Order: sequence, then structure tokens, then C-alpha cells
Amino acid sequence: QKEVEQNSGPLSVPEGAIASLNCTYSDRVSQSFFWYRQYSGKSPELIMSIYSNGDKEDGRFTAQLNKASQYVSLLIRDSQPSDSATYLCAVNRGGSYIPTFGRGTSLIVHP
Amino acid sequence: KAGVTQTPRYLIKTRGQQVTLSCSPISGHRSVSWYQQTPGQGLQFLFEYFSETQRNKGNFPGRFSGRQFSNSRSEMNVSTLELGDSALYLCASTSGPEYNEQFFGPGTRLTVL
Repeated sequence: QKEVEQNSGPLSVPEGAIASLNCTYSDRVSQSFFWYRQYSGKSPELIMSIYSNGDKEDGRFTAQLNKASQYVSLLIRDSQPSDSATYLCAVNRGGSYIPTFGRGTSLIVHP
Repeated sequence: KAGVTQTPRYLIKTRGQQVTLSCSPISGHRSVSWYQQTPGQGLQFLFEYFSETQRNKGNFPGRFSGRQFSNSRSEMNVSTLELGDSALYLCASTSGPEYNEQFFGPGTRLTVL
């Protein structure tokens, strides 16, 4: 059974702080890793994709992948109240079109 | 490039009725997946279509069905609606096997009374 685990939260951080969201997965042959942001009542929005070990930065977001330890994380620097949302981790095998999603972590950024 | 579109955005139906939801993927994307999202269950995979063929199916009863047309547009149908079918139904199109990024439409909020 392929699983993707996330802490449901909520993770509460003050404005301007770094928010760290973590995700572990069980399928060792996973090759594609994604982070989605979902605001309440809205659909998931893809914010980061990462395919190789290490860090990938995009603006205030950094995705970190460690395949040996089977975890992927998302760092949000200078967190803003507008970052308050649920963050979904998704993991996919190479060549597959169907990712496995975690249940999501609720992030609250308070002023 | 236009994103994934879904219609209608909101639906209210009564038990026993049936409903058809529509999805147009991003131009050039041939894979369309459907998900059900409820507060208690998270994102649950319904099925995936590729070149008019259902390639993958989740664990949902036969009341849930779908199809894909030659232009990659997809529809899903739910027959004999139950109260528990109330959910956000999401369509996603996938960029391809190499990067397999999945992009979601805005969803259809279905309420069954």
C-alpha cells in the first residue's frame, strides 16, 4: 500500500517566520514529488515540483527531497497570513499519471 | 495557456437523481483524472482517462462512471445520488509521464439533499 503521511496540524507560525511542512512516503520507487496549496473551499494549486535529491527554491518556497530517508519537506520563508491554507504533499512513480496524496497539513500564519 | 475548466461550479440535487459533471483539460494534456474531496476523507481518486480509455479506477461503486471524448474533454456521471455523495468533485489534467504534474480545475461543489 503506497502511503503518504503528513501531520494534520494545525501548524501555527507568526507572520515573518519560517513554516516547515513535512511529508514521508512509503513507496521507495517514487520519483516525482509535489506540494499543493489549498485554500478553504478552493481546489488544490500546484506550487512546487521536485524530482531529485536536494533543495529546490522558488521565491519564498523551498522544497527539500531526501529519497534515502523517504521524506520531502516544504519551507515557507517570511510567512504571510495569506499563506494560511492546507498544504498537500503528493508522490508519484515514474511514468505514472496518478499521484498518491497525503491528507494535508493545515498552516495558520497569525499576524 | 488556459487552465482546467469545470462546469457547473455548483449543483444541488436530491437523493435518487443523477448528475453529470464536465471537465476540459489544459490544451495538449491527454490524461484527465477525477477526485472526490470531503472534509472527512480528503482527496479520493475516482478514475483516470487517457485517449478516451479508462486506465485507472479508484475504489468507488459503479454509480460513479465517466468517459472521455476525442478532444480530451471528460465527463463524470453519478447515478442514484446519495446524501454521502455531497462533496467537491475535482478534475485534474496531467502534463505527461516525464514530469507528470497534475493541475486541478476549480471543482464542482455538489450538494445532495
